[in-house]
Amino acid sequence: QVQLQESGPGLVKPSETLSLTCTVSGISISSHYWGWIRQSAGRGLEWIGRTSTSGNTYYNPSLKSRVTLSLDTSRNQFSLNLNSVTAADTAVYYCATEWQFWGQGTLVTVSS
Amino acid sequence: DIQLTQSPPSLSASVGDRVTITCRASQSINKYLNWFQQKPGRAPNLLIYAASSLQTGVPSRFSGSGTGTDFTLTISGLQPEDFATYYCQQSYGMPRTFGQGTKVEVK
Repeated sequence: QVQLQESGPGLVKPSETLSLTCTVSGISISSHYWGWIRQSAGRGLEWIGRTSTSGNTYYNPSLKSRVTLSLDTSRNQFSLNLNSVTAADTAVYYCATEWQFWGQGTLVTVSS
Repeated sequence: DIQLTQSPPSLSASVGDRVTITCRASQSINKYLNWFQQKPGRAPNLLIYAASSLQTGVPSRFSGSGTGTDFTLTISGLQPEDFATYYCQQSYGMPRTFGQGTKVEVK
């Protein structure tokens, strides 16, 4: 049974870095593409980017200057770092493959 | 970016109804179009991939069609568990993009 689970702080201060980890079980992270999607009332579903062990990493140009995705094959995890956050980055963040398997989502609020 | 426009934004329907949702792409995306269902507090769930292929485990009352720029999701015989929001999503170009959603509500 494939499971994805997001973890990380639920509250981040403005201008700081949002860091989330997705722990994958039931499937090797060495296969598939691994990505992040966020959802807010104002922006709907927004694709953040994807990565894979092949080295092909793509970011949404709207976030490219602030986002980094990485993989840890030894832990079967992948991570999202989004720096210089503002209130506009408040959203539910999902990790997912393309597109069968998703995590349950984690709410991140940007506030002082 | 490829823009996806869904219509209608919402609709009211009854159990047993046939429901059709459309998604129009701002440029041709061949058949690289997926459909998701999302219920409150849950992650999106893949229903249809490659425009018309039914994801494993999804009831056959769901079907998809289209190619190029115009796509349709049809629910033949709406069930109580189908009241939800539906999204189209394109996997043709980068960045991946989603439609704004269609909320299917109880009439």
